[in-house]
Amino acid sequence: DTAVSQTPKYLVTQMGNDKSIKCEQNLGHDTMYWYKQDSKKFLKIMFSYNNKELIINETVPNRFSPKSPDKAHLNLHINSLELGDSAVYFCASSHILTSGGVPGTQYFGPGTRLTVL
Amino acid sequence: SQQGEEDPQALSIQEGENATMNCSYKTSINNLQWYRQNSGRGLVHLILIRSNEREKHSGRLRVTLDTSKKSSSLLITASRAADTASYFCATPLGYTGANSKLTFGKGITLSVRP
Repeated sequence: DTAVSQTPKYLVTQMGNDKSIKCEQNLGHDTMYWYKQDSKKFLKIMFSYNNKELIINETVPNRFSPKSPDKAHLNLHINSLELGDSAVYFCASSHILTSGGVPGTQYFGPGTRLTVL
Repeated sequence: SQQGEEDPQALSIQEGENATMNCSYKTSINNLQWYRQNSGRGLVHLILIRSNEREKHSGRLRVTLDTSKKSSSLLITASRAADTASYFCATPLGYTGANSKLTFGKGITLSVRP
């Protein structure tokens, strides 16, 4: 029944390691997103994919590489992890445009809490 | 750049009281959305109000939008302890099109005391 799921829920790793976070949605949405939420709860978009194509790529270090094998999946791979990467990462999905041509309601996953030691 | 800002940053009320949270934004928008985040969870969409609407209701929630002042308010009536959460307003940046994105404010922490 889970609409947007992420794995793992918690990730603790050493600086310099490479890690991946997976996201899947079963809502039939055409757009998926990755957000980063810092310790002050500020939520910032990182990437957006529409029909497997990258459409939004914010100012994110190229150590972060999203991959969308199909419309229902959007994974995030992070190379050479740094202390500042510690945060909660949220995946979300939506229909990109409502009939009025505006971003639709976004459905969020439960988040992955990444801790870099 | 951050589009929306909520006010106050934190709000503590007694169960049964009403909670009013405000959001201001900078540029013209097509819609404004409110989300709730319970501790340790993802955001949950509460309500969307379009730019041609002034007020919208959903259960105990009432949202207003004043495009002339570039502000919105979220009112939760008869609050319950379960309403304790962070509340975010979100607005589209980039008017329409595939590269339009939602930007979120920093959130309001609401605590409802039993």
